[in-house]
Amino acid sequence: KAGVTQTPRYLIKTRGQQVTLSCSPISGHRSVSWYQQTPGQGLQFLFEYFSETQRNKGNFPGRFSGRQFSNSRSEMNVSTLELGDSALYLCASSLAVQETQYFGPGTRLLVL
Amino acid sequence: AQRVTQPEKLLSVFKGAPVELKCNYSYSGSPELFWYVQYSRQRLQLLLRHISRESIKGFTADLNKGETSFHLKKPFAQEEDSAMYYCALRAAGNKLTFGGGTRVLVKP
Repeated sequence: KAGVTQTPRYLIKTRGQQVTLSCSPISGHRSVSWYQQTPGQGLQFLFEYFSETQRNKGNFPGRFSGRQFSNSRSEMNVSTLELGDSALYLCASSLAVQETQYFGPGTRLLVL
Repeated sequence: AQRVTQPEKLLSVFKGAPVELKCNYSYSGSPELFWYVQYSRQRLQLLLRHISRESIKGFTADLNKGETSFHLKKPFAQEEDSAMYYCALRAAGNKLTFGGGTRVLVKP
């Protein structure tokens, strides 16, 4: 089975712009979670989706949003980018809630 | 709220020596605890979870609810164990709360 894939792998944006990141889960997996990884804050939970419904949300401003499609693919959007949004954004998928999560390679976002 | 603490940012050991990575957590309920590992230029992957009580790549971890700890141990470190290790807690749903990570460097 192919692993979790994330596109794009690298992205450079400027302050004020908005960005959309995509995550394709492992085939058959219905749960997708997103995490932000930075040197200062480490790995922080953004949100979790199951069957197109957001089940849980981390402590991030409303500029961060996401959604899940009927084929379980997920996107996250960050509007009005700030320098501090520069990070590695990781997606993880699992068969269902409370199952083992498998991580993608991440999208590295640089905001200038 | 849950919290995971890994007190050591860097652990340097010689090949063949024992290695122990500390993990302490705070959570009022019954959490699930995990260790994830990230080798150089690879994605984050699950090493082990406390409910399976299995040994992976020679690593073991025991959940001590009294001390709220989930330390990771290996009796004889190998060079290929050099990596970043993260302890994580899952309280509800799929949300993982991660510790800050410990970089392990195994010297020849």
